[in-house]
Amino acid sequence: DQQVKQNSPSLSVQEGRISILNCDYTNSMFDYFLWYKKYPAEGPTFLISISSIKDKNEDGRFTVFLNKSAKHLSLHIVPSQPGDSAVYFCAATFSGTYKYIFGTGTRLKVLA
Amino acid sequence: GAGVSQSPSNKVTEKGKDVELRCDPISGHTALYWYRQSLGQGLEFLIYFQGNSAPDKSGLPSDRFSAERTGGSVSTLTIQRTQQEDSAVYLCASSLGDSTEAFFGQGTRLTVV
Repeated sequence: DQQVKQNSPSLSVQEGRISILNCDYTNSMFDYFLWYKKYPAEGPTFLISISSIKDKNEDGRFTVFLNKSAKHLSLHIVPSQPGDSAVYFCAATFSGTYKYIFGTGTRLKVLA
Repeated sequence: GAGVSQSPSNKVTEKGKDVELRCDPISGHTALYWYRQSLGQGLEFLIYFQGNSAPDKSGLPSDRFSAERTGGSVSTLTIQRTQQEDSAVYLCASSLGDSTEAFFGQGTRLTVV
């Protein structure tokens, strides 16, 4: 049972345009969501998070949106840069626990 | 160093041999996780340690897998009688506690031949 789903395995975007990465989840108890970025041969690095009490969190070029009714979150990167090319994982957990459930990742390629 | 450190970075082993993977978490982090990523798959939870509490081993795929955390710091993941399906990148992460960002090491790429 895949509780966190990233249905797009890959995405290509032109440099300077917006990248939108999507993530869906099935467990309504999840209340904390994170995005990680992973370069080849490196471990995932934390990017941005959002609590379920918010519907938007912004950090520089990165914004995460949460739609609780749709059980959907998205990561917007604008403007996209070639250095953003990586695999992006979304993860979910719920307060008082520790088990992060990860999606299968979306490979983003930003074209120069 | 300031980050999570894993060793070795690469390990090639013969089927049937035992392997040990090591993780040094960030100093002061009480929570430690092991995940693995098989080719084309997401991050699969294996085991979690938090302070002196009993670890959550619910993600370990078989009894050939075990892990320990000594002194609340360094952790070792042991795979006995390795099989080809154990080939994956094994990632260790640590965090300050529950529901906080986990910081990952660079992983150990295990190849069973």
